[in-house]
Formats: sequence, C-alpha cells, structure tokens
Amino acid sequence: NAGVTQTPKFRILKIGQSMTLQCAQDMNHNYMYWYRQDPGMGLKLIYYSVGAGITDKGEVPNGYNVSRSTTEDFPLRLELAAPSQTSVYFCASSSRRDNTGELFFGEGSRLTVL
Amino acid sequence: TQLLEQSPQFLSIQEGENLTVYCNSSSVFSSLQWYRQEPGEGPVLLVTVVTGGEVKKLKRLTFQFGDARKDSSLHITAAQPGDTGLYLCAGEEAGGTSYGKLTFGQGTILTVHP
Repeated sequence: NAGVTQTPKFRILKIGQSMTLQCAQDMNHNYMYWYRQDPGMGLKLIYYSVGAGITDKGEVPNGYNVSRSTTEDFPLRLELAAPSQTSVYFCASSSRRDNTGELFFGEGSRLTVL
Repeated sequence: TQLLEQSPQFLSIQEGENLTVYCNSSSVFSSLQWYRQEPGEGPVLLVTVVTGGEVKKLKRLTFQFGDARKDSSLHITAAQPGDTGLYLCAGEEAGGTSYGKLTFGQGTILTVHP
C-alpha cells in the first residue's frame, strides 16, 4: 500500500533556484494539501485542492505554486527559492467521505535553501 | 486566521507517569483531530472528536473535546517509552465549507524515559 508518495526526500537548493516537489496518492482521494512544518510552529497550509483542476491558497502561499491536472498528482512548485523556504514539506490527502476526513500524510520532503 | 495553542511544548517524564496535553482556542471547531508524528515520518491520525463534551479512549490514551468545541485534551495513563513522539492537535473550522483545511497546534514533544 503506497498511500501518499513524496519525492524527493531531501534537497538542497541555492538561493534563486527553482524546483518542484512531487506528490502522488493512490487512494482516489479528491482532497489534497501541501503543508510546511517548521520547528515549534506546527504545520502551516500552503495550498490545497478539492479535485482535479481546482486549487486554492492556504495560509502561507507566497513563493509557491501548485497544479492539479489529475486526481492522483499534486506537485508543489517553488520559484526563486529563499532561505525562508527552508522547511519540511508534507503532502496529504483525504477522502472526506464522513465530512471530517482523516489526513493521510506522505513521509515529507526536507528542503534546505542556502 | 484561527489559532490553536498547544501546551506544553516539551514534556519529559519517567515511564509509568501520567500526563496531559492541552489544545486551546478562542475559535469554535467542527471537529478536532489528534495526530502523532515520529522522526522522519508524516503525522498519523490517533482520533477525531466531533461532538462537544465527547470523550474517546484509545487504550491508555483519553481524548476529550470541550463542551464549547474550542478546546481539547489528551491524557496518557502510565506512559511508556513507545509513547515518545510529537503530538499534534488540529482543528477544522466550524461553519461553512472548510474543505478539510486543518489548523494545527505547535505540537508537544513527549519523551518517556525507561
């Protein structure tokens, strides 16, 4: 059971570089989310999607972009990386069949911007 | 922006002791979830509470949702080293359609010493 798969697990970027964090889920969930986790700060929502072709901003969207061309994939794009984007990024998905919706998380992608 | 204040931030106890983690807000939540996260992994759901005053038990863990659905607590009885980890509370905004977006507390790092 793959669940939510994130790649890469680790990445070091130089300031100003761009990259895409990949996220794929095989549970046929409509809802997908990107969070970032900083020490002592919990998780902050970056972007979310309620289905293919539909995305919206979360609490901290600046410096990021997303797309959702299929139900399975929800990549997160970082343009012009900055040290403030050093963090651990988690992708999650949910079915929300019971309207509460457990989030299933990937293992995370640790990004360092130098 | 809704806020969830989680306390304490750190907890270091001996095996066999009891402990309580608190999650408080001035906002009302339609549901509140508790997650546990181990190093290098994504959070995993422990429980969801949806009704004011609700109490749920998971072996030695007891979860309570406040009557006004603004706060929650996690109580662990006779803690064991295997309980060590990061505990996160997360609330879903009440009223309207939140699309499963969760507001996370800052987390409690629990260390249980043998």
